[in-house]
Amino acid sequence: DIQLTQSPSSLSASVGDRVTITCRASQGISNYLAWYQQKPGKVPKLLIYAASTLQSGVPSRFSGSGSGTDFTLTVGSLQPEDVATYYCQKYDSAPWTFGRGTKVEIK
Amino acid sequence: EVQLLESGGGLVQPGGSLRLSCAASGFTFSSYPLSWVRQAPGRGLEWVSGISDTGRTTNYADSVKGRFTISRDNSMNTLYLQMNSLRAEDTAVYYCSAKTTVTRVPVYWGLGTLVTVSS
Repeated sequence: DIQLTQSPSSLSASVGDRVTITCRASQGISNYLAWYQQKPGKVPKLLIYAASTLQSGVPSRFSGSGSGTDFTLTVGSLQPEDVATYYCQKYDSAPWTFGRGTKVEIK
Repeated sequence: EVQLLESGGGLVQPGGSLRLSCAASGFTFSSYPLSWVRQAPGRGLEWVSGISDTGRTTNYADSVKGRFTISRDNSMNTLYLQMNSLRAEDTAVYYCSAKTTVTRVPVYWGLGTLVTVSS
């Protein structure tokens, strides 16, 4: 099965900083990658699908890029409400594996 | 408004069984592929199982294959997860989720139901 490796596992950044999270697949998955945000005590929220398509209603400071095996989620200007854990998920074929998550905190 | 409401969680002994349900409303249930995703306490998300809109195609994570069965009743707008031979490591909040044909990944999520496997 294809594995997803997210890095870093956690990060601390200041408000206004540009934040980048990476997700690497052990084999190519074209652009079948999604990113989710999960705030403490809440259900996951879809941010991006097809590697770079912003889900409706998601702030434009979030962006995604990549194809094949290497993907990136970028928060253009970190806001206090972005404190959360972020997960990538592959969906080219089953199993639709999640990455282990990246916890984002405010410095 | 789309709503997904899970039920059926609880405390069960190792080796026991539980059946989770997810009642849906606010969308055309029979048109949406569905999934179960779980999250152990303090841990990350784990995809468990998925089912096509018709119910003819099902998929499972290796960790639950042969023990869990996903099914759906489109006439009742309900998704199920039959869980047998439960283990301590199955302890988690179980979420049902619905994909859309546009995103092909879960957009709608329930609030989850807690399953605790312990003696």
